[in-house]
Amino acid sequence: AQTVTQSQPEMSVQEAETVTLSCTYDTSENNYYLFWYKQPPSRQMILVIRQEAYKQQNATENRFSVNFQKAAKSFSLKISDSQLGDTAMYFCAFMKHGGATNKLIFGTGTLLAVQP
Amino acid sequence: EAQVTQNPRYLITVTGKKLTVTCSQNMNHEYMSWYRQDPGLGLRQIYYSMNVEVTDKGDVPEGYKVSRKEKRNFPLILESPSPNQTSLYFCASSKRNGQGNPEAFFGQGTRLTVV
Repeated sequence: AQTVTQSQPEMSVQEAETVTLSCTYDTSENNYYLFWYKQPPSRQMILVIRQEAYKQQNATENRFSVNFQKAAKSFSLKISDSQLGDTAMYFCAFMKHGGATNKLIFGTGTLLAVQP
Repeated sequence: EAQVTQNPRYLITVTGKKLTVTCSQNMNHEYMSWYRQDPGLGLRQIYYSMNVEVTDKGDVPEGYKVSRKEKRNFPLILESPSPNQTSLYFCASSKRNGQGNPEAFFGQGTRLTVV
């Protein structure tokens, strides 16, 4: 069975600085997707970034980028130039590629506070 | 606008009183699922549906029922709610895995309190 681990329950960063959120996972699958979701106080689940395991290039979306290390089963999220609106809970999630379901397996989340 | 709509957003109920949380998507997605979110546990899948009339259990199905009579709707039913079902619930939909971007679109969440 797959598992996703986020070892940082809470983090804090100053506005305009860079922060990295950690995520590790365990799977015997070779092809899969990894996601980072943001959950602001509004509770809405917002997709931040997606990585396909067969792609070696790290995904980037504006100020958000990932460091995907397949062999180490690590998938960290880097937020550059942090903004107050980045304050949220961040969830790392795993999905098998081509599986019978689209089941997402989530980590326990990292609560990020951006300080002014 | 592509969206998943859940109702209600907040619900307080008493133990044993049957309730239904509705979920509807307008993206013609085949796959729909329900998750519950609890502090320190992340989100866990309750039930999912691959298509109309096709449903199956997720990781925490006890105490819940679902149905999929139409492609767009996937209600979550609690026949006899108990306090341990107090949680934040999310409905999600996506394309079938292997048919392109499997990104899950989430509803706004339903905060359920059972007293």
